[in-house]
Amino acid sequence: GAGVSQSPSNKVTEKGKDVELRCDPISGHTALYWYRQSLGQGLEFLIYFQGNSAPDKSGLPSDRFSAERTGGSVSTLTIQRTQQEDSAVYLCASSPRSSSGRPGELFFGEGSRLTVL
Amino acid sequence: DAKTTQPPSMDCAEGRAANLPCNHSTISGNEYVYWYRQIHSQGPQYIIHGLKNNETNEMASLIITEDRKSSTLILPHATLRDTAVYYCIVSITGTASKLTFGTGTRLQVTL
Repeated sequence: GAGVSQSPSNKVTEKGKDVELRCDPISGHTALYWYRQSLGQGLEFLIYFQGNSAPDKSGLPSDRFSAERTGGSVSTLTIQRTQQEDSAVYLCASSPRSSSGRPGELFFGEGSRLTVL
Repeated sequence: DAKTTQPPSMDCAEGRAANLPCNHSTISGNEYVYWYRQIHSQGPQYIIHGLKNNETNEMASLIITEDRKSSTLILPHATLRDTAVYYCIVSITGTASKLTFGTGTRLQVTL
C-alpha cells in the first residue's frame, strides 16, 4: 500500500515476555519515528531515524526498549521483559527528506496496540 | 522545542466555524507552528503549518499573530467527521527534527 504499515495491529502478551513491533514506512521516506500513546494520553516520542545518521534515542523510557532500521527502510521496535505499564498504542511515522513535500509533515500508521497482562 | 498550551476541549455546532487556539509564547524565530489531528483509533494526520504568514489549504486556515506567540486553527465549516483531538506543535523544520505532541484539544462537533 501507499501508507505506513504497522504489524501486528494488536498484540496481547504476558508480563516478562519480549515483543517485536514492525513498521514499513512509505517508500522513499528517509525519516522514521516511533511514538507511543497510552490510553487517554498524548503522543510520547520514543526514537527517530534519519537516513544513515545515528538514531535519536532520547525518548526511549528504559533499556528494555530498542529499535533498529534495516537498509534504511523497515524498522522493528523491540520491548524486552514487558511490563504492564508498557501497554499502549505504538505509532510509527515516516517523512520525506526536508527538501520534498511539506517539510515536517509526518505520515502515521494505524499503530500497534500492545496489551501486557 | 517551544511548549504549547491548548484548551483541553471545545464544542462546535456542525456547519459553523471551529476556532482552535494555541499559545506558544516561547517560540523562537526559526520554529514553525504545526497542526495535526487524531480521529479516534487512528494515527495523527497533518493539517497545516506556518512560520509567520497566515496559511490556508483545503482542510483549514492557520492564523498566526504578529508576535507569533499564539495561533488559531480555523475549520471554516465543521462537520461531524472533524470530531478529533487537535494538536498544536512548534518545531524547527528542515532539520527533520522530531515533533513533540502534547495532549491537544478535543473538539466535539455536534448536530
